[in-house]
Amino acid sequence: QVQLVQSGAEVKKPGASVRVSCKASGYTFANYGISWVRQAPGQGLEWMAWISAYTGKTIYGQKLQGRLTLTTDTSTSTAYMELRTLRSDDTAVYYCARGSTGISHYWGQGTLVTVSS
Amino acid sequence: EIVLTQSPDTLSLSPGERATLSCRASQSVSSNYFAWYQQKPGQAPRLLMYGESSRASGIPDRFSGSGSGTESTLTISRLEPEDFAVYYCQQCGSTPWTFGQGTKVEIK
Repeated sequence: QVQLVQSGAEVKKPGASVRVSCKASGYTFANYGISWVRQAPGQGLEWMAWISAYTGKTIYGQKLQGRLTLTTDTSTSTAYMELRTLRSDDTAVYYCARGSTGISHYWGQGTLVTVSS
Repeated sequence: EIVLTQSPDTLSLSPGERATLSCRASQSVSSNYFAWYQQKPGQAPRLLMYGESSRASGIPDRFSGSGSGTESTLTISRLEPEDFAVYYCQQCGSTPWTFGQGTKVEIK
């Protein structure tokens, strides 16, 4: 069965960087893309960006462009999301999700990133 | 950026009733690129409907979707206890892909 397993919760200080991993199993990793979506406490879903696991092509939302980098490692079927220059309003649960397009059929369990001094 | 506005914000209904959720886009979106998700507290979202009216794997047929252009509608024909949750629409026809603000379906 398709599974996306994300790395554990992180606590970071303002200005630091965070990298969240998303390990895929149960399907051919290179055949699909990975979206990243975040959800601030008590808020709705915010689409961040998408990466093709096959080509490495990325689509970034304007809000985080410049601070956000998506990568994949096809040898380990793992996607990575790195967010730099963290601010308090980056505190959120970050999700990875599988989809050839932006429609996400399978989701990771989420990773809580807390930004606090 | 295409803004999606969901209505209502909250829907108070009893089990067995019909729920109709609306999602209006600020610009036309191909129906192929609309999706609906369900999210329960402490859980990741779950894909319900995508495209014109396709149900995701394992989704019961009491869930249906329709719409085109600037409007998409999710209908739950008879609410079951497990359907009380927050529902989000999404468009991925134009980047940045965007979500609506969510509709909470609560028990009346």
